[in-house]
Amino acid sequence: DAGVIQSPRHEVTEMGQEVTLRCKPISGHDYLFWYRQTMMRGLELLIYFNNNVPIDDSGMPEDRFSAKMPNASFSTLKIQPSEPRDSAVYFCASRTEVQETQYFGPGTRLLVL
Amino acid sequence: QKEVEQNSGPLSVPEGAIASLNCTYSDRGSQSFFWYRQYSGKSPELIMSIYSNGDKEDGRFTAQLNKASQYVSLLIRDSQPSDSATYLCAVNPNTGNQFYFGTGTSLTVIP
Repeated sequence: DAGVIQSPRHEVTEMGQEVTLRCKPISGHDYLFWYRQTMMRGLELLIYFNNNVPIDDSGMPEDRFSAKMPNASFSTLKIQPSEPRDSAVYFCASRTEVQETQYFGPGTRLLVL
Repeated sequence: QKEVEQNSGPLSVPEGAIASLNCTYSDRGSQSFFWYRQYSGKSPELIMSIYSNGDKEDGRFTAQLNKASQYVSLLIRDSQPSDSATYLCAVNPNTGNQFYFGTGTSLTVIP
């Protein structure tokens, strides 16, 4: 299995621009999680999906952030407009219905100037 | 109060020594506990999971769980320089399907 795939791996953008991060979970996994990691706050859950349905988005920092999962093999996290404080590493993770272990993708390192 | 607390370190141990990493959690009803290792610039990878009180061993790694005291620890025996990484404790509070992660403990094994 290829594991969780994320793109792009690195993104540099200017404040005010729209940023779209992409994730392909492991085939057969029912849950998909979006995390943000910073030195100050560690790994924070933003939102998670079960069978393509958003279950808990309480971690989404504000309305500038949105996430979708149109099908079982693809999810996006969008930031519009982006701000410098959004600079972080964004991870996608997935797991099966019966096994709690989450498998992480390589992450997207975002820098907003 | 954070759900999961870890000492940020850095923790330094000489090669061959035992490294001890600790984690406390706030939700007494938590049932599932995980240790992830994260190398610099990489993603977290699972080392061990533990669900019952006591010790669980896997090679050089031992996870210890004490639900009464609400702590979970990870021991690394015969530490190697390749063990140098940040170790993340994760807890499933059993109120949903999400984990709460600690901020991680940075470990350096000195050759």
